[in-house]
Amino acid sequence: GEDVEQSLFLSVREGDSSVINCTYTDSSSTYLYWYKQEPGAGLQLLTYIFSNMDMKQDQRLTVLLNKKDKHLSLRIADTQTGDSAIYFCAEGGQGNLIFGKGTKLSVKP
Amino acid sequence: DADVTQTPRNRITKTGKRIMLECSQTKGHDRMYWYRQDPGLGLRLIYYSFDVKDINKGEISDGYSVSRQAQAKFSLSLESAIPNQTALYFCATSGFSNEQFFGPGTRLTVL
Repeated sequence: GEDVEQSLFLSVREGDSSVINCTYTDSSSTYLYWYKQEPGAGLQLLTYIFSNMDMKQDQRLTVLLNKKDKHLSLRIADTQTGDSAIYFCAEGGQGNLIFGKGTKLSVKP
Repeated sequence: DADVTQTPRNRITKTGKRIMLECSQTKGHDRMYWYRQDPGLGLRLIYYSFDVKDINKGEISDGYSVSRQAQAKFSLSLESAIPNQTALYFCATSGFSNEQFFGPGTRLTVL
């Protein structure tokens, strides 16, 4: 079945770049998403990329998509303590979204 | 005002009790979803509905039921709650773009 995998934890120092990686199995996914969940809150869409794109940049966020390897990454430049959260990768086509288990990003001062 | 609201935000109940979690949305979306979140397991889909007359089971529907009372309302019921249903429950909605908008969550504890 469809699956999305990502590592569970990432720790970086404030000011460094963070890279969160994700692999997925459904090659028919139309969109791939990154959601952010802050403590005690629901998930908020951070960014997304259409499956025919290789890269998308939005201020400090860069999404890279390697469709051949079914690999998606989220790079956060100049990571701040406010970026500490759980980041979920998700893939979707015409139906439901399939979410990864989430990567908990810890930012140390 | 929030686009997707959930009530209650927190609930503590006892084993065997019937519980209903409610979700309302003002986004005008046809599609609504219920997920549960457990530490280390991410989000798992319980039920989803693509319009008022459409109800579908998700990955973990056993022990749960849903009702789509209107386009804007989607409720989740636990007919007889058990302790392993202790979790954080999220409602979400989406339009045709498949981008999902989440409610703030309901923390349910079953003793």
